[in-house]
Amino acid sequence: DAGITQSPRYKITETGRQVTLMCHQTWSHSYMFWYRQDLGHGLRLIYYSAAADITDKGEVPDGYVVSRSKTENFPLTLESATRSQTSVYFCASSDAGVYGELFFGEGSRLTVL
Amino acid sequence: RKEVEQDPGPFNVPEGATVAFNCTYSNSASQSFFWYRQDCRKEPKLLMSVYSSGNEDGRFTAQLNRASQYISLLIRDSKLSDSATYLCVVNIRDSNYQLIWGAGTKLIIKP
Repeated sequence: DAGITQSPRYKITETGRQVTLMCHQTWSHSYMFWYRQDLGHGLRLIYYSAAADITDKGEVPDGYVVSRSKTENFPLTLESATRSQTSVYFCASSDAGVYGELFFGEGSRLTVL
Repeated sequence: RKEVEQDPGPFNVPEGATVAFNCTYSNSASQSFFWYRQDCRKEPKLLMSVYSSGNEDGRFTAQLNRASQYISLLIRDSKLSDSATYLCVVNIRDSNYQLIWGAGTKLIIKP
């Protein structure tokens, strides 16, 4: 199906473990984004990518790593999970950067114990 | 002061009523403005962009006031299905990638 999909949708892990959240889009959008959403905060940008092999840090990148070897995939890795990384993570894509509509995945709910 | 501020609500409104809420932004260089809608435990979805001249889409009207640095969203003849959290989003002129998201205003439409 066309669209943007995230996996896993729910994940419980322990402090110190590595976790990878996957994001796949079928529109061939150039721009992709990872956000986290926490209660009382607006969405905060973790990393973004303007094209394959081009990534850059957003507002809250510490503790996260991304890669984008193919246009359609943009995985987010938590190298050593901490409790403060418990959050809902949204991946988004756009064909016009931040000047157009962002299309979001359904989110990945991560709990770090 | 937060860069984008919204009244968190909740706004409890009877079905059929008109409701309006504002969003203030602090950066005068902001260039693009949007309202997104987010249903409980779902992903955000674009409701409408906000243009300098204001714009209307059915029951929804968005306005931009650059002098006072706020945008507004008006919902007429509210429906139960309008219950959601409305997110105000602003971009910064010198950034091609950074959007500043408000924490959202929760709207509850009551029968």
